[in-house]
Parts: sequence; C-alpha cells; structure tokens
Amino acid sequence: DSGVTQTPKHLITATGQRVTLRCSPRSGDLSVYWYQQSLDQGLQFLIQYYNGEERAKGNILERFSAQQFPDLHSELNLSSLELGDSALYFCASSVHRGTGELFFGEGSRLTVL
Amino acid sequence: GENVEQHPSTLSVQEGDSAVIKCTYSDSASNYFPWYKQELGKGPQLIIDIRSNVGEKKDQRIAVTLNKTAKHFSLHITETQPEDSAVYFCAASSDKLIFGTGTRLQVFP
Repeated sequence: DSGVTQTPKHLITATGQRVTLRCSPRSGDLSVYWYQQSLDQGLQFLIQYYNGEERAKGNILERFSAQQFPDLHSELNLSSLELGDSALYFCASSVHRGTGELFFGEGSRLTVL
Repeated sequence: GENVEQHPSTLSVQEGDSAVIKCTYSDSASNYFPWYKQELGKGPQLIIDIRSNVGEKKDQRIAVTLNKTAKHFSLHITETQPEDSAVYFCAASSDKLIFGTGTRLQVFP
C-alpha cells in the first residue's frame, strides 16, 4: 500500500460527459502528480501541483483541468469526454517539490463508451 | 520537448538469466533517472534511481548505469526470478518526470 488513495477505481461513462477523479496523497506529501496510461502505452505526464500551486504542466488537454485543495487532496476534471480518453489515470505524490521518489496510487480506470 | 525512449518493449528470459533494459533521453538538463516496476493491477513502484553525479548504482540483483555523454541509462537485473515478471519503466527528470514506454519482462521458470 503506497498510501495514495484514488477514487473511483472504475468509471464508465458516455462521450460528451464530464467526470472528476479524486486523489488523496500520502500524509505529509505536498506534491501531487497526474499521469495518463493508455492501453499498451507509457505514463503520460499531465500536471503537477505543489502545496496548492501548479508547478509543472505536461501534455494535458484543454478539456482537462486539475486543482489541489488546501487539505492537499487533488481532483482531475475531464470534460467533453471522447472515446480516446479511455485510460488508466494515476495520481502520485511526493514529499519533494522537484525530483524524488513518487508514490503512485492504484489508478482510476476510465472507460468512455 | 523532452522524450525518453525505451527498448525492448518486451523481453522474455529464463529464470536465472540476466535482463537488460535500455533507455535514452533527449533533455540534456535531466539529472534524475528512476526505474519503476508495475505489477498487474497496481501502480508503478520505484525500484532504483540514480542521479547524474553517479555512473552506476547497485542494489542486490538490480543495477543501473548512466552515461550522461551519450544520454542513455540501463537497468540490469541478474539471477532473474519469476516474481521479477512485470512492466518496467525508465524515467528522466529535469523539471518534469518523463517516463519511457515500458518493457514487459517475462521470466519463465
């Protein structure tokens, strides 16, 4: 158990809909990262927050947004969903602002029909 | 932008043999190179990492080497065991942690 909690574990929705994925980091970790893992693909970096502030941005679509709340939990919002958004979305947390070990949750599997 | 290439995509070895996975990175500012292991149904987990001021690091059956001039780094697993079967990801970081596309390692008894 990494200590990172992601909900929901599974989510099935239709094209055009909007969903919210939630992440609770390990106790004490200030950084939260979001990654997308499509079938047989690597981990695509989406975005990182550190202590409530956006720190780094990857290939995150404009239809996607994220935030980190004062209690350090984070949410990833995916809107106007398309079939290609079906993927496993991982949240990871770290005590570091920059480089260092990331602790991953078990992921939220999103299926868009 | 930053890119990390990883080879091979699949690797099958006999138990007890060695396995080698290679990665190259594009961002010369990268200074941190971790390796993660992802088992089925789980999130990736760090198994070893190396920083740019070190050329090699070893932890029991696992070793990582780094060649900053050539911008490549490798993971070596010796005396492989069936429980080593998983997907392995390399990554490189300067500002953002960028992952390779993964290597599915299968160790046959």
